[in-house]
Amino acid sequence: AQSVAQPEDQVNVAEGNPLTVKCTYSVSGNPYLFWYVQYPNRGLQFLLKYITGDNLVKGSYGFEAEFNKSQTSFHLKNPSALGSASALYFCAVRDRENTGFQKLVFGTGTRLLVSP
Amino acid sequence: SAVISQKPSRDICQRGTSLTIQCQVDSQVTMMFWYRQQPGQSLTLIATANQGSEATYESGFVIDKFPISRPNLTFSTLTVSNMSPEDSSIYLCSPDPVRDHTEAFFGQGTRLTVV
Repeated sequence: AQSVAQPEDQVNVAEGNPLTVKCTYSVSGNPYLFWYVQYPNRGLQFLLKYITGDNLVKGSYGFEAEFNKSQTSFHLKNPSALGSASALYFCAVRDRENTGFQKLVFGTGTRLLVSP
Repeated sequence: SAVISQKPSRDICQRGTSLTIQCQVDSQVTMMFWYRQQPGQSLTLIATANQGSEATYESGFVIDKFPISRPNLTFSTLTVSNMSPEDSSIYLCSPDPVRDHTEAFFGQGTRLTVV
């Protein structure tokens, strides 16, 4: 069964500094990996995904994530944090080999706090 | 991406009562996923609803507590029955992605508080 781990409940960073939000995964085959963001009182918004190809994928607002197969990781990064990025971030995985319906498994979430 | 409308956006309910949450999608989808997000926690899949057949429930969730309807390919409802304060959560619907590598999209969620 697939699983996702986000080891940090919260990440604090000063505005303008680089940030990393960690994610590791476990699937039986090859994964599809996703990052979602949730702002207060809002639904889940898609941020970026890894399907295949280039290990570095780019999303909105300067966010990017690097797929590392050997470390089974998909860490979210931003070279310069904006205050508006303060939110709850979820990593999710879907097993590429799963021939059943396309269930997403989510990590526990990491709260990002960007301070002025 | 599909436009997903979820109603109600929030509600405060008395324990022992039931609430039905509606999810409308602007295009036909094969399956609809229903998730629960308990306070301060991640999303957990409750069940998968396919039109014309009974929903498939994940471990820990049962049909009597969370009955689901799927009358057509654009609409689904989730009922939270005989509510207790432990059911206070955000409930989200998500249509099945077109392709397995396609990102999933979610309704805005229903924030339920049971008092």
